[in-house]
Amino acid sequence: EVQLVESGGGLVQPGRSLRLSCTASGFTFGDYAMSWVRQAPGKGLEWVGFIRSKAYGGTTEYAASVKGRFTISRDDSKSIAYLQMNSLKTEDTAVYYCTRVLGNGSGSLDYWGQGTLVTVSS
Amino acid sequence: QSALTQPASVSGSPGQSITISCTGTSSDVGGYNYVSWYQQHPGKAPKLMIYDVSKRPSGVSNRFSGSKSGNTASLTISGLQAEDEADYYCCSYAGSSTYVFGTGTKVTVL
Repeated sequence: EVQLVESGGGLVQPGRSLRLSCTASGFTFGDYAMSWVRQAPGKGLEWVGFIRSKAYGGTTEYAASVKGRFTISRDDSKSIAYLQMNSLKTEDTAVYYCTRVLGNGSGSLDYWGQGTLVTVSS
Repeated sequence: QSALTQPASVSGSPGQSITISCTGTSSDVGGYNYVSWYQQHPGKAPKLMIYDVSKRPSGVSNRFSGSKSGNTASLTISGLQAEDEADYYCCSYAGSSTYVFGTGTKVTVL
């Protein structure tokens, strides 16, 4: 059974940093791209970015709203994906979901974690 | 990149069919056959319902179907059931390895 478990959320002050982790199980982690999606309280979904599998270079792509502040990385030996968030703003407050990218090139997200809440406030 | 436009709400009676639209531009929905749809119940994580415009993942009911015409994609739910009451989001590839979600639609079963 595919499982994605996020951790690392919490309350953080504006301008500070936070790192989220996504621990995967039930599939060969290294074979898949992984993505992060966020949802502000009471709002819709927002694509944050993704990291390709090592077979495709392990490169990353980001939404304009987080580019230069957020970094996605992966440790295939531990089956963990990370989201490093720097220079946090109040508008980054959201539930952050870790997702697996369907392996057919379409970018569809076939499995989601339960999400972890990040609150940016002074 | 602006969010794709969806109606805020759609409703129907049990057994009826409803359709949710997702309107973008030629740079996203209209330019690629990479539209997906997600169902989200309150307090839960989203679930993939349709990918590549019209394909259903294993385990998803065949009451759910997707299509696209020009810059607008659509999700149709036939034989509406109480359990279909949820929020629905479309998502499209938007070029340059980026993706954009729709504004979301709340489906109410009357």
